[in-house]
Amino acid sequence: QKEVEQDPGPLSVPEGAIVSLNCTYSNSAFQYFMWYRQYSRKGPELLMYTYSSGNKEDGRFTAQVDKSSKYISLFIRDSQPSDSATYLCAMSALSSASKIIFGSGTRLSIRP
Amino acid sequence: GAGVSQSPSNKVTEKGKDVELRCDPISGHTALYWYRQRLGQGLEFLIYFQGNSAPDKSGLPSDRFSAERTGESVSTLTIQRTQQEDSAVYLCASSLSSGQPQHFGDGTRLSIL
Repeated sequence: QKEVEQDPGPLSVPEGAIVSLNCTYSNSAFQYFMWYRQYSRKGPELLMYTYSSGNKEDGRFTAQVDKSSKYISLFIRDSQPSDSATYLCAMSALSSASKIIFGSGTRLSIRP
Repeated sequence: GAGVSQSPSNKVTEKGKDVELRCDPISGHTALYWYRQRLGQGLEFLIYFQGNSAPDKSGLPSDRFSAERTGESVSTLTIQRTQQEDSAVYLCASSLSSGQPQHFGDGTRLSIL
């Protein structure tokens, strides 16, 4: 079993829809949770960075962490065609914060 | 500098040749990371530098892979006697210090014929 599981998609939604992206994990030591966006032929770009449980909002993006269920989510409101990309969840433990474990990524396509 | 810079952006070479990939981190970032990303897959950790030393080399797949960092700046990842399985995108990231959010370059696309 992988430490971090992420549905690869592809996920296709119409413009303006709310998108929900999710990851599950098995290591209860994970404390730092991140979401990266990766456009084709580009490096991953950090979108959200959270510590421990709870919600964090930044513009149209909301990250949620539920440590009791070992489940994290990224919500995108009012989705735009420019949001079409691969979204990678990532996480690390306090004791080894430099070692980030990535999900395999979800391909998202927003239809105009 | 503006961001993490990697060169070359693309590299095609024959099986058995050695290749050297370069990473220029964001100025002032003390931590530097190398990852490998195979087609359609997530990122696979290779090695991490804090300053010029590498506390964690656990991800290097074999002794054909090595990396160094000098002047707490530029890093090179060297793959000796390349194999077709080494074909992937090699990504470099840097962070202000260990445990801080990592910022990525656009990678080197390596193809082994």
